[in-house]
Amino acid sequence: DTGVSQDPRHKITKRGQNVTFRCDPISEHNRLYWYRQTLGQGPEFLTYFQNEAQLEKSRLLSDRFSAERPKGSFSTLEIQRTEQGDSAMYLCASSTGTTDEQYFGPGTRLTVT
Amino acid sequence: QKEVEQNSGPLSVPEGAIASLNCTYSDRGSQSFFWYRQYSGKSPELIMSIYSNGDKEDGRFTAQLNKASQYVSLLIRDSQPSDSATYLCAVMLSFGNEKLTFGTGTRLTIIP
Repeated sequence: DTGVSQDPRHKITKRGQNVTFRCDPISEHNRLYWYRQTLGQGPEFLTYFQNEAQLEKSRLLSDRFSAERPKGSFSTLEIQRTEQGDSAMYLCASSTGTTDEQYFGPGTRLTVT
Repeated sequence: QKEVEQNSGPLSVPEGAIASLNCTYSDRGSQSFFWYRQYSGKSPELIMSIYSNGDKEDGRFTAQLNKASQYVSLLIRDSQPSDSATYLCAVMLSFGNEKLTFGTGTRLTIIP
């Protein structure tokens, strides 16, 4: 039983560039979540999907951020025109939907220079 | 008032002793409560979930929930150096609300 996987694990980009992250949830988990964590803080919720439907988006998710889960399996998070304030760990989690327990992937650490 | 509050620590505990971590939350409608362990540079790892008032034990870990006092705690018995990490309290604020709201975490150091 493999856990949540995320790719890439690290990304360094220049301000103004677009970046895309991928998350593969635990097999048969129909709920997928994106969080962002900065140093010294707990993760902050960004958005979540039930199957392919995006059911909630945080106000933290500006127009530069978009997330998709086209076939209800993997998900992508894209950030357009990156800013230095976007530097953070981007975490993906999944759950079965029958319990509230969310399991996190290893995260993608984004550095915007 | 923050939605989920934890003492940031650091909390230092001798090896073999009991470590006690505390968390308070503001939304009385909160239904689900979780403790995650996060090692430096790593992602959060779920160690306990609790939904009902009282205690829930799993190995060396005991979670305690008191909804009337809006308080959840984690006890770690026989603390080991490998328990040194940041412990995050997470709350699912209201029934049907899927997102977790986290505290800022308590940094725990076990002293050999």
